[in-house]
Amino acid sequence: DVKVTQSSRYLVKRTGEKVFLECVQDMDHENMFWYRQDPGLGLRLIYFSYDVKMKEKGDIPEGYSVSREKKERFSLILESASTNQTSMYLCASRGRPEAFFGQGTRLTVV
Amino acid sequence: GESVGLHLPTLSVQEGDNSIINCAYSNSASDYFIWYKQESGKGPQFIIDIRSNMDKRQGQRVTVLLNKTVKHLSLQIAATQPGDSAVYFCAEKGYAGGGADGLTFGKGTHLIIQP
Repeated sequence: DVKVTQSSRYLVKRTGEKVFLECVQDMDHENMFWYRQDPGLGLRLIYFSYDVKMKEKGDIPEGYSVSREKKERFSLILESASTNQTSMYLCASRGRPEAFFGQGTRLTVV
Repeated sequence: GESVGLHLPTLSVQEGDNSIINCAYSNSASDYFIWYKQESGKGPQFIIDIRSNMDKRQGQRVTVLLNKTVKHLSLQIAATQPGDSAVYFCAEKGYAGGGADGLTFGKGTHLIIQP
């Protein structure tokens, strides 16, 4: 079975902090994605990567950056956390064609 | 832009009844569709998928129907159980010439099971 693992289930950070969310997949997938999920807004794509060191902006990249130094790991970085970045963050890894999700990280910025 | 949506944000059914969750999509070029189930506090879990060259696909207690004429997708759950309570998302993939052609998600339907 595909396994997508996010490093934290819950995080509480202070405004202005730099935050790292880590995601690891074990199926050698090329494509990885970061989404945020908010009530009434559904899943919104922040960034995706289709290969090591490659990244593309999604629909809402502002305030975020990503890193893909190894194929299995895709990191989401909040350069300076703000309260409007409080959300559920979901990492996905995509084979061809299905996508599998991690368990999510619920981030609260105070 | 293209969008994927669901007709109802909440669906309440009696335990043991069949559930039907609907989804409308607007991208006629979409060639692949997935249904996900997301339980409270967890990430979405793959349930079943269907390609655009099919009209129907069955899994264990679930059936997905695709009507390309009206761009409509449905998920049928037979003999609904308490464990089926979750938010259900449809997702579509449009054709893209390589690269990280991602999925477009609907906003979800919350299925509530009445005892």
